[in-house]
Amino acid sequence: EAQVTQNPRYLITVTGKKLTVTCSQNMNHEYMSWYRQDPGLGLRQIYYSMNVEVTDKGDVPEGYKVSRKEKRNFPLILESPSPNQTSLYFCASSFVVAGGINEQFFGPGTRLTVL
Amino acid sequence: KQEVTQIPAALSVPEGENLVLNCSFTDSAIYNLQWFRQDPGKGLTSLLLIQSSQREQTSGRLNASLDKSSGRSTLYIAASQPGDSATYLCAVRPGLNNQGGKLIFGQGTELSVKP
Repeated sequence: EAQVTQNPRYLITVTGKKLTVTCSQNMNHEYMSWYRQDPGLGLRQIYYSMNVEVTDKGDVPEGYKVSRKEKRNFPLILESPSPNQTSLYFCASSFVVAGGINEQFFGPGTRLTVL
Repeated sequence: KQEVTQIPAALSVPEGENLVLNCSFTDSAIYNLQWFRQDPGKGLTSLLLIQSSQREQTSGRLNASLDKSSGRSTLYIAASQPGDSATYLCAVRPGLNNQGGKLIFGQGTELSVKP
């Protein structure tokens, strides 16, 4: 089944404790992206990757890191999480067509709480 | 800076009504616009993708239109059903060419269809 998977689905952690949220897709998509969703603010793009070893900042990259060493995986790293990073996180992927992205497919979300 | 707005934030209608959801954007320089559906606790599901050169797209009871010059898109849902209850989001690809991976979301309209 074609899908985007995220792990963990739920995470409660404490301020300053490094964490990684994994994202994996099995559709051979070149493009992957991370978003956070907050009440009243909608979805905001954190980072995206057009292909392996190519990453770029979205609108809210501060406090996050990403890497794209393999095509199927795009982990989101919080080196020192803070309470304002409590949010619902989504990973998405898409084919790249003529240099740009096509229809995106989303993972089920990861609900992160930072105490 | 491109901003995307969806009004109203919430909408409640009786079953069987035809309804229109609105999405507006501040910069007409977009490559495409995508409508998504989000069910509670779930990820996003792509509904329709309209390229900037298109005026509308249809899928079943859904019809999305795009008027770039006025910065507006509408999602028309015919003969609404309780199963249509969800949050509907629109997202724009900024820029005139299909380059890059940025996507800007509206805050969504929460639709409730009463039996």
